[in-house]
Amino acid sequence: NAGVTQTPKFQVLKTGQSMTLQCAQDMNHEYMSWYRQDPGMGLRLIHYSVGAGITDQGEVPNGYNVSRSTTEDFPLRLLSAAPSQTSVYFCASSYQASGGFQYEQYFGPGTRLTVT
Amino acid sequence: GENVEQHPSTLSVQEGDSAVIKCTYSDSASNYFPWYKQELGKGPQLIIDIRSNVGEKKDQRIAVTLNKTAKHFSLHITETQPEDSAVYFCAASIDNYGQNFVFGPGTRLSVLP
Repeated sequence: NAGVTQTPKFQVLKTGQSMTLQCAQDMNHEYMSWYRQDPGMGLRLIHYSVGAGITDQGEVPNGYNVSRSTTEDFPLRLLSAAPSQTSVYFCASSYQASGGFQYEQYFGPGTRLTVT
Repeated sequence: GENVEQHPSTLSVQEGDSAVIKCTYSDSASNYFPWYKQELGKGPQLIIDIRSNVGEKKDQRIAVTLNKTAKHFSLHITETQPEDSAVYFCAASIDNYGQNFVFGPGTRLSVLP
């Protein structure tokens, strides 16, 4: 198992450019999510998905789009990059919680994005 | 919405000593509290978790305690080793499924040999 993989590892964008951060998992997890990590602020939830075709917004969704066409992939799109989106982005996945039981969330290695 | 505070922001201990990290949360509906360890250049990794119907949980050198009335929970690491050096995050669930979280700002733990 490769686990959760993210590409690219590093990216520099100019203000206004668009790009897609890729996330894939090979564990057949239903649940996937995107977080951003900023210094001194912990991780903040951007978007999440409980299965193919189903997505929802997290705490900080503005400026980001997601889609989930397959169980394995959950790309994050930046439509028009802004300097405020400079951050480290983490993708995570787990089995869908049920019956009050939570499964471990596995995080990818992250993508460091700089917007100039 | 939920707010999670975490203290201290940095912590240095001598190898073999204990380390304690404390978190408070604001939403009494939160019912699941995981702790994550993040090593440099890597994603967070779950190290221990606790549900709201349990007061304490142990896993070898790591323990977590939860006080629901006071809305705080703590991570205890005993007999610290240099490989425990990392950033530790607490989190509180914000949905009924316990899959979406609000994270604390993190504690950088340094274990000095």
